[in-house]
Amino acid sequence: GNSVTQMEGPVTLSEEAFLTINCTYTATGYPSLFWYVQYPGEGLQLLLKATKADDKGSNKGFEATYRKETTSFHLEKGSVQVSDSAVYFCARYTGYSTLTFGKGTMLLVSP
Amino acid sequence: GAGVSQSPRYKVAKRGQDVALRCDPISGHVSLFWYQQALGQGPEFLTYFQNEAQLDKSGLPSDRFFAERPEGSVSTLKIQRTQQEDSAVYLCASSLAEGSYEQYFGPGTRLTVT
Repeated sequence: GNSVTQMEGPVTLSEEAFLTINCTYTATGYPSLFWYVQYPGEGLQLLLKATKADDKGSNKGFEATYRKETTSFHLEKGSVQVSDSAVYFCARYTGYSTLTFGKGTMLLVSP
Repeated sequence: GAGVSQSPRYKVAKRGQDVALRCDPISGHVSLFWYQQALGQGPEFLTYFQNEAQLDKSGLPSDRFFAERPEGSVSTLKIQRTQQEDSAVYLCASSLAEGSYEQYFGPGTRLTVT
């Protein structure tokens, strides 16, 4: 089937720490992959995307590389800030332009 | 510029009542999606429109759920005879065209069925 699995949270880090949030997917073929972010009280926003194998998506210091060998799309950031505290969702494109999301990972960054 | 708007933002319904949730997509966006997000979960696809045509309704959980987009812009998601398990945040998203990868999400309507 088409599913997305991401690590459970919350992930609790101190400011300037390194962040990794794991995401793996099941797929037939090579779907486009996404990370969405939901800040407190706001709607979902696209953070970054990768449309084919080996692509690296990046935005606001976050990066994720589409790894077909491991069917993974892990989110990383070298130095997190308090303002990065949010819920992060990994997602894949599933035909008809629809998205299949993981359950979300809450990130809490303390000063 | 205006983003996707949804109304109401919060809705409390008694079990058995009918509710209607409205979505105003970004002007000119062809594709419109509805998702359901239960507490602590990721959004789950409900239905998809391209203009006024409902191309996929495979995610609607029961025949109590109905969505329409009669003029290809505003969309309404209707839930008849609400049940407690319908309590969730209902998200609307729009995108410029089919296959256009970025979907812009509204703030959601939080439905609580008591």
